[in-house]
Amino acid sequence: AQSVTQLDSQVPVFEEAPMELRCNYSSSVPPYLFWYVQYPNQGLQLLLKYTSAATLVKGINGFEAEFKKSETSFHLTKPSAHMSDAAEYFCVVSETYSSASKIIFGSGTRLSIRP
Amino acid sequence: NAGVTQTPKFRVLKTGQSMTLLCAQDMNHEYMYWYRQDPGMGLRLIHYSVGEGTTAKGEVPDGYNVSRLKKQNFLLGLESAAPSQTSVYFCASSNPQGYSNQPQHFGDGTRLSIL
Repeated sequence: AQSVTQLDSQVPVFEEAPMELRCNYSSSVPPYLFWYVQYPNQGLQLLLKYTSAATLVKGINGFEAEFKKSETSFHLTKPSAHMSDAAEYFCVVSETYSSASKIIFGSGTRLSIRP
Repeated sequence: NAGVTQTPKFRVLKTGQSMTLLCAQDMNHEYMYWYRQDPGMGLRLIHYSVGEGTTAKGEVPDGYNVSRLKKQNFLLGLESAAPSQTSVYFCASSNPQGYSNQPQHFGDGTRLSIL
């Protein structure tokens, strides 16, 4: 069975400092992995996705994530955080060869940016 | 450029009342989903549909019913609202991509309070 764990419920970061949001997954088959961002009072927007083409995935707004099979991790990083990055971030796992129901969301990490 | 549209955006109900949430997508997506979002729990799948005329239960289906009479619309019904159904409801849609069905496109949510 697949699962996803976001290790931190809240992450404070200083403006222009590097940031990392952690995500670990469990899957019995090669997974598809995603990061979504949710701004206040809005729906979720796709940041980036891993579909086995490359282990380092680049997304929108300067975000990146690296798939590490040995560590079963897919941490989200950005070299310099901006105030506009303050939001909630969700890591999502979906198994290949799965049905529409096999999409699991992490519990979310709220990123706050300090000036 | 609408994407996924949810109506209404806000609603307050009394216990025992019924209502229907409407989701409409203009991307010709095959798959549609209803989620609820509660603090600290990420998104949980209520029901989903893999095509017009088909629906299936997700993780938390009790107390809800759905219908997909037209490909572009996915309705979520609460027959007898309970306070435990106070939540933010998100609709999403996607198309199958190979053996998976990502990424999902989300609406902006419906904030529902049951008194």
